[in-house]
Order: sequence, then C-alpha cells, then structure tokens
Amino acid sequence: GQSLEQPSEVTAVEGAIVQINCTYQTSGFYGLSWYQQHDGGAPTFLSYNGLDGLEETGRFSSFLSRSDSYGYLLLQELQMKDSASYFCAVRDQKNRDDKIIFGKGTRLHILP
Amino acid sequence: DADVTQTPRNRITKTGKRIMLECSQTKGHDRMYWYRQDPGLGLRLIYYSFDVKDINKGEISDGYSVSRQAQAKFSLSLESAIPNQTALYFCATSDPDRGDIQYFGAGTRLSVL
Repeated sequence: GQSLEQPSEVTAVEGAIVQINCTYQTSGFYGLSWYQQHDGGAPTFLSYNGLDGLEETGRFSSFLSRSDSYGYLLLQELQMKDSASYFCAVRDQKNRDDKIIFGKGTRLHILP
Repeated sequence: DADVTQTPRNRITKTGKRIMLECSQTKGHDRMYWYRQDPGLGLRLIYYSFDVKDINKGEISDGYSVSRQAQAKFSLSLESAIPNQTALYFCATSDPDRGDIQYFGAGTRLSVL
C-alpha cells in the first residue's frame, strides 16, 4: 500500500534548528515535496526533491534518500512565524495512476 | 486575484441536501484535484482530473462526484450530504513538468448538520 509517516508534533525554541522526518512507502516513487500550512490557511509549497541529496531554499532545506525511502525538512533560525503544520507529500506514479499522497502532517510548536 | 479560487468559503447545510463546491484556476494547469482535510488526518484525495475527459477517483471518493466543465473549472458535489462529510475542502492544481507541485485554493469549510 501507500503510506507516509511523519511525527505528529515537534517542539523547538526560537532561533534553533529543527528537523522533521518523513518515511514513505509507495508503489511508484517520483519525488518528495514539503508543504507548510498555517492555522486557517491553505497548504503552500516549500520544497521538492526529485533526486537524492539536499535542496536549500533560504532557511529551509530538504533532503531525500531514495534507497532509504526517507526524507526530512530542516528549518534553521526558527522564527515564531514558522509555527505551523508541515506535510510531506509523495508523487506516486505507476502506469497511468499518478497522484500526490500526503502525510498526516507535523505540528511545529515554537517556544520563545 | 488568487490563482486558484474556491467558492463558497464557508457553507452550512443539512443532512440530505445536495451541495456543490466550485473551483476555478487561472494558472493554465491541466491537472486539478479535490482534497478533504480533517484534524489529524492530513489531506486525503477525493478526485483528480488530468484534463476535461480524464477524471479519476482518489482514496475517499464514496459519497462525492465531480465535474470538469473546462480546463479551468473543477467542481465537487455531495449528492446527499451527511454529517461525517463535515470538513475543510481544498482544490488544487499542478504542473506535472514541475514536479507536480500543488497550488491550493483557500479552502471551503463545510458543516453538515
């Protein structure tokens, strides 16, 4: 079957670094994405990994290891505005079946 | 103006009523999606469409139907609403040539009493 696992909650301190892990099991893997969602808002795209390695976008980085079916989102220099839910998502493509599967989300709490 | 627009933003209805949620986009994407979000369950795919003639069921399509009226319009219908369909509904579009990044509308909060 298809599944993504990520922690339900993570707490960190303002200014610190936090890593949110995601493991996946899919029938046909095409890429791993990360989305941010603030309370009451819509999910917004943060980062995409199609190949193994690290992708960096400002304070956010994302990593993928296809052989381990594992990725993570790294947030540096945490700010209070980073308090949100973070979702990993996998593009699961096999034959004509091609869709995005989302994890259940990780709620990030930031302490002052 | 938003690239992906959902109407209505909020809706309260009664059990058994027929409800339609509308989605339109100006991004020129062929792919459109409907998701449902419940607390602690993330985003679950209801239906998706790769073009006007290509509509596919997602993981939770029972009780829902869709219509792709044009490349830019994708509507979701609840033929006979029930209380456990109370949720936040999101429409999204994507470009498969760009990693299938999803662009979401602002969401429709639906309550079925």
